Amino acid sequence: AQSVSQHNHHVILSEAASLELGCNYSYGGTVNLFWYVQYPGQHLQLLLKYFSGDPLVKGIKGFEAEFIKSKFSFNLRKPSVQWSDTAEYFCAVNARTGGFKTIFGAGTRLFVKA
Amino acid sequence: ETGVTQTPRHLVMGMTNKKSLKCEQHLGHNAMYWYKQSAKKPLELMFVYSLEERVENNSVPSRFSPECPNSSHLFLHLHTLQPEDSALYLCASSHYPANYGYTFGSGTRLTVV
Repeated sequence: AQSVSQHNHHVILSEAASLELGCNYSYGGTVNLFWYVQYPGQHLQLLLKYFSGDPLVKGIKGFEAEFIKSKFSFNLRKPSVQWSDTAEYFCAVNARTGGFKTIFGAGTRLFVKA
Repeated sequence: ETGVTQTPRHLVMGMTNKKSLKCEQHLGHNAMYWYKQSAKKPLELMFVYSLEERVENNSVPSRFSPECPNSSHLFLHLHTLQPEDSALYLCASSHYPANYGYTFGSGTRLTVV
């Protein structure tokens, strides 16, 4: 069965620190990969996505993620975080032959200290 | 607004009540989803509808009953729920089969007392 693992449940950083959130998935076939973000009191929204091509994808607000197929990973990065990046981040995987099922990780809560 | 509207935003219900959650999208998407979001747990897929046909029922108890009268509307009918059903219920929509990512609603915070 497909699964998505996010390594850290809570991360605390100071402003301007670099961020890397880990995401690993288990599925042997071709996948679409996503990162979603949920700011406090707001809805889940798509941060970035990977379907094919360049494994380094760029999203909104300076975020990027790198797909490493050999490691089944899709880690999220940002060179310099801001207080406004405080949110919960969810990695998600959709198997291209899996029909409608998108599997989400448990989420990582990021708190950025001003 | 996200393009996916959920009502009500908050709901408190007793275990013997019957209530319904509503979701509406006008993004031209042809698939709609119900997810359950509980603290410290991954989002749990409950139901998937494509073109008004239910294509996924993820072993959800029968006290949850979905309804999709058209491609823009999705309901979740609730009956004799348990306190452990208290959670945030999220509706999402997307294109199918090319899933370019979900658009989520703001959710309904359900408390069962």
